[in-house]
Amino acid sequence: GAGVSQSPSNKVTEKGKDVELRCDPISGHTALYWYRQRLGQGLEFLIYFQGNSAPDKSGLPSDRFSAERTGESVSTLTIQRTQQEDSAVYLCASSFTGGWYEQYFGPGTRLTVT
Amino acid sequence: DQQVKQNSPSLSVQEGRISILNCDYTNSMFDYFLWYKKYPAEGPTFLISISSIKDKNEDGRFTVFLNKSAKHLSLHIVPSQPGDSAVYFCAAKEETSGSRLTFGEGTQLTVNP
Repeated sequence: GAGVSQSPSNKVTEKGKDVELRCDPISGHTALYWYRQRLGQGLEFLIYFQGNSAPDKSGLPSDRFSAERTGESVSTLTIQRTQQEDSAVYLCASSFTGGWYEQYFGPGTRLTVT
Repeated sequence: DQQVKQNSPSLSVQEGRISILNCDYTNSMFDYFLWYKKYPAEGPTFLISISSIKDKNEDGRFTVFLNKSAKHLSLHIVPSQPGDSAVYFCAAKEETSGSRLTFGEGTQLTVNP
């Protein structure tokens, strides 16, 4: 079966431009998560969607970051006015709920801000 | 505030020997712990988990041990194989945070043939 997919796999952008990253979760997974991993660091939680509940945005580093999810399907993470410190791998994960805590990750989008 | 810490950035072992990866945490509200493995240019993949009501969970060559009093967990891989070479992340879930996970920094395991 299909896993979590993300696009693009790589994105190079100039400082100050906006970027949009896409995540397609595993079908049937009600929860969706965005993380980022900077070079040499662990995974940093950004945002969490659970069904139709209000998303947990507590990990978003600034108001330049936003994310949307349509129902229980595709999610997009948008970074406005990108800065060099936004350079990282952005990882999306999805999971079942109801006691299933294992998250399934996509391959990530490597974002480089020049 | 790093609530989940993996103090060893790297570990090197010989094929066939035991690999022991360690993880410490500070949040006593964590009630579920997971280990993930990550190969270069891929997303992390789930490996094994343990509930806070247990102290050991075993799955084939992989065993996770939890010491709640010490706020410490470890992953044992035995026997280690070259294909186990990857970055291993420890993660924890807080009982009131839904499914949100807090990850450690990762440990690069290298298994030498």
